[in-house]
Amino acid sequence: EAAVTQSPRNKVAVTGGKVTLSCNQTNNHNNMYWYRQDTGHGLRLIHYSYGAGSTEKGDIPDGYKASRPSQENFSLILELATPSQTSVYFCASGLGAAETLYFGSGTRLTVL
Amino acid sequence: GEQVEQLPSILRVQEGSSASINCTYENSASNYFPWYKQEPGENPKLIIDIRSNMERKQTQGLIVLLDKKAKRFSLHITDTQPGDSAMYFCAASENNNAPRFGAGTKLSVKP
Repeated sequence: EAAVTQSPRNKVAVTGGKVTLSCNQTNNHNNMYWYRQDTGHGLRLIHYSYGAGSTEKGDIPDGYKASRPSQENFSLILELATPSQTSVYFCASGLGAAETLYFGSGTRLTVL
Repeated sequence: GEQVEQLPSILRVQEGSSASINCTYENSASNYFPWYKQEPGENPKLIIDIRSNMERKQTQGLIVLLDKKAKRFSLHITDTQPGDSAMYFCAASENNNAPRFGAGTKLSVKP
């Protein structure tokens, strides 16, 4: 079974603080994705990557940066966290865009 | 990017009946249409998918239909059981574009 691990599982941050969400995959998948899940909006694409060193903007990139330093790791960075970024964040990996996604367990972020 | 609309947002059915969820997409180049099931507190997991070279696919009580002309695809769960209660997400993607998801359907199966 494909393995995608996210850390931390839960995070409470203060407004204006910096938050880094980490994701590691052992599937050797080229593609990695960050989505956020909010009631009524489903899974919305924030950033994605086609491989080490590459990052692409998704549909809601404002306020987020991404980093893909290696095939295995993909981070989501909130430089100045705001309460509107309170959400559940999922990382996923896949062989390609038109392939099955394997999701991590999610990070519940609360920004106070 | 692709836009995917999913309806209904809430679906309540009696155990043993069928449940249907419908999705539409905008990008005619989309060629992969997966469905994911998410249990409370868990991550989404693939349950069935269909590619654009097919119109119908069936596995273990699940049927997926794809109408490329109408840019519409649907999930049909036959003989629903309480264990089918969950959130369901459709998605659409193509080789050069990241997967986009529908807003989800919360299915409740009443005994």
